[in-house]
Amino acid sequence: ETGVTQTPRHLVMGMTNKKSLKCEQHLGHNAMYWYKQSAKKPLELMFVYNFKEQTENNSVPSRFSPECPNSSHLFLHLHTLQPEDSALYLCASSIRQGPSTNEKLFFGSGTQLSVL
Amino acid sequence: AQKITQTQPGMFVQEKEAVTLDCTYDTSDQSYGLFWYKQPSSGEMIFLIYQGSYDEQNATEGRYSLNFQKARKSANLVISASQLGDSAMYFCAMRDVGDDKIIFGKGTRLHILP
Repeated sequence: ETGVTQTPRHLVMGMTNKKSLKCEQHLGHNAMYWYKQSAKKPLELMFVYNFKEQTENNSVPSRFSPECPNSSHLFLHLHTLQPEDSALYLCASSIRQGPSTNEKLFFGSGTQLSVL
Repeated sequence: AQKITQTQPGMFVQEKEAVTLDCTYDTSDQSYGLFWYKQPSSGEMIFLIYQGSYDEQNATEGRYSLNFQKARKSANLVISASQLGDSAMYFCAMRDVGDDKIIFGKGTRLHILP
């Protein structure tokens, strides 16, 4: 148990479906992250939220829509996805306290997404 | 712009031997942090070790140590006395000061042979 819980663990969806990924952290952290991990590619940062405010959007297509209602919960809403969006989606959290560099990420187990 | 480079896609090492995983980075900031994570086949990312750019000593955590060479922008992970359970993907990562994001390299897949 890492303190970061992602659901569902696996998701298969058609290109016209709408689904959501959920992430919850019980660590008291104030920053939450979405990463995409595809085969043969580095982990790609998608979004960062710090105290519920989005601070990073790494040129992610609008078919991915994040939502952070509070510091403990993070969602990724999916619609009209493409087969190339199939990947492992990892959620992470950390403490962010000013200009520091040592705050490590705590990751969930990920959602393996397949788009048909 | 920040960049992390891991040039070893895969490595095979005999059990009980030491192994070095390479990582080079690029940043224009003077203050930054470097991380190593392990990802077993289960998919979970596990934090291993951290090195700050102003830390004078190389970081160590049990069997893990970080060979930090600032002038060469190198942050290699050294695993001593490797074990079968060390077989996994290993990722080098970096955060610039004041930056919320952490960027990752492509990773190195380590295979420990019995």
